[in-house]
Amino acid sequence: DAGVTQSPTHLIKTRGQHVTLRCSPISGHKSVSWYQQVLGQGPQFIFQYYEKEERGRGNFPDRFSARQFPNYSSELNVNALLLGDSALYLCASSFYGALNTEAFFGQGTRLTVV
Amino acid sequence: AQSVTQLDSQVPVFEEAPVELRCNYSSSVSVYLFWYVQYPNQGLQLLLKYLSGSTLVKGINGFEAEFNKSQTSFHLRKPSVHISDTAEYFCAVSGPSQGGSEKLVFGKGTKLTVNP
Repeated sequence: DAGVTQSPTHLIKTRGQHVTLRCSPISGHKSVSWYQQVLGQGPQFIFQYYEKEERGRGNFPDRFSARQFPNYSSELNVNALLLGDSALYLCASSFYGALNTEAFFGQGTRLTVV
Repeated sequence: AQSVTQLDSQVPVFEEAPVELRCNYSSSVSVYLFWYVQYPNQGLQLLLKYLSGSTLVKGINGFEAEFNKSQTSFHLRKPSVHISDTAEYFCAVSGPSQGGSEKLVFGKGTKLTVNP
C-alpha cells in the first residue's frame, strides 16, 4: 500500500511569491493534517481537515490556507512568502482524525525561501 | 494547552549500550502520548504510543516507554542500541485544539548518535 505522498519533495521560492504543496493520504484515510518543521525544532501544527472541512488551525497567519478535495487529498497554500517560511512541511493522514488515532506522515516538502 | 519538554537535545552513546531519552509533558486534561523517529531527510515514523492501560508500552525496533502520570513523564528506552538507531526522536502529546481537532504537540527533539 502506498503511504502518504507529498509533492514536490523540494522547491525554492523567492520572497513574496506564492507556493502550493500537495498531499495524498493513505487510501481510506479521511483526515489530513499539516505541520511545519523549522530546522532544529519539532513539527508545529498548522491545519487539520476531516471530510473536506477544516477542523482545526494552529497559530499561523492568514497567509497560510489549505483545503481538502473530495478524494481526501489536500493542498497547503502559502502567500507572500517570507524567509522564515523556509521549513520542512509535513502532511499526516489518519482514518478518523481522532485524538487516539495514529497519524502517518509523509516524507515532507522542503521549502526554501530566498 | 499541552506542552512537551525533551530534556536532552543531543545524546551520544556507544553501540550496544542502553539509552534513555527523556520526555516530560504538561496538560490539564488526559492525553495520549507518542514517540516518533525521524531519519535524515525523512518524515516521521511512529515508534510507540500510550493511549490507556498498561503504563509500559513496547514499540518497534526494541524501544519501550513508560508512562508516569505522577511525574508527567514518558521516557523512551532501549536496552542495547545499534548504529542504525542514529536519528532524531520526538516526543508528542495529542490533545484537543479548537473545534475538537486532532493535534499533535511535539517536543524539540533529541538527536541520538550511536557511535561504534
